[in-house]
Amino acid sequence: AQKVTQAQTEISVVEKEDVTLDCVYETRDTTYYLFWYKQPPSGELVFLIRRNSFDEQNEISGRYSWNFQKSTSSFNFTITASQVVDSAVYFCALSEYTNAGKSTFGDGTTLTVKP
Amino acid sequence: NAGVMQNPRHLVRRRGQEARLRCSPMKGHSHVYWYRQLPEEGLKFMVYLQKENIIDESGMPKERFSAEFPKEGPSILRIQQVVRGDSAAYFCASSPQGSSYEQYFGPGTRLTVT
Repeated sequence: AQKVTQAQTEISVVEKEDVTLDCVYETRDTTYYLFWYKQPPSGELVFLIRRNSFDEQNEISGRYSWNFQKSTSSFNFTITASQVVDSAVYFCALSEYTNAGKSTFGDGTTLTVKP
Repeated sequence: NAGVMQNPRHLVRRRGQEARLRCSPMKGHSHVYWYRQLPEEGLKFMVYLQKENIIDESGMPKERFSAEFPKEGPSILRIQQVVRGDSAAYFCASSPQGSSYEQYFGPGTRLTVT
């Protein structure tokens, strides 16, 4: 069975601070996909990144960066110089390689960025 | 190319009524997934469908819930005799054949049972 743990239920930072959201996963599969999604107060789900288990390279996209470490089963997400608009619930998800549409989500981390 | 469409966006039902949630996948997508998000929780997989076939319904409650994806028209998630515990956001996602990792989510339907 797959499991995703986002231990931080809520995080509050002041604008311009850096913040890291943790994600730890469990799977017996050797190949799989990992995802991060953002859910703003409006409620829709915004795709941020997909990473397959073959690729352990870190990725940077603007103020966002992701650190994938297979050895510790972690896929952490860092926002640099946070902004108020980053306030949202962030979900980490894991899916089977052969059925990537069936994802297991963590319970989310609520990030509040104060001005 | 329009994204995944769900309607209605908000649905209110009294206990015992039926709820029908619709999902129109992106153009060219033949795979549909339904997820449920209870308050303060992450999304939970419910069912995976292809046109006229249920591929995986391991996350569907055994009673009152059903899903279909007909040859023509949207996918429908049907909840019979709703109870207060069914109040949640229901998300649909679609993907093209052969690329299930390219999953696009709809805006969700918020179901409230009074």
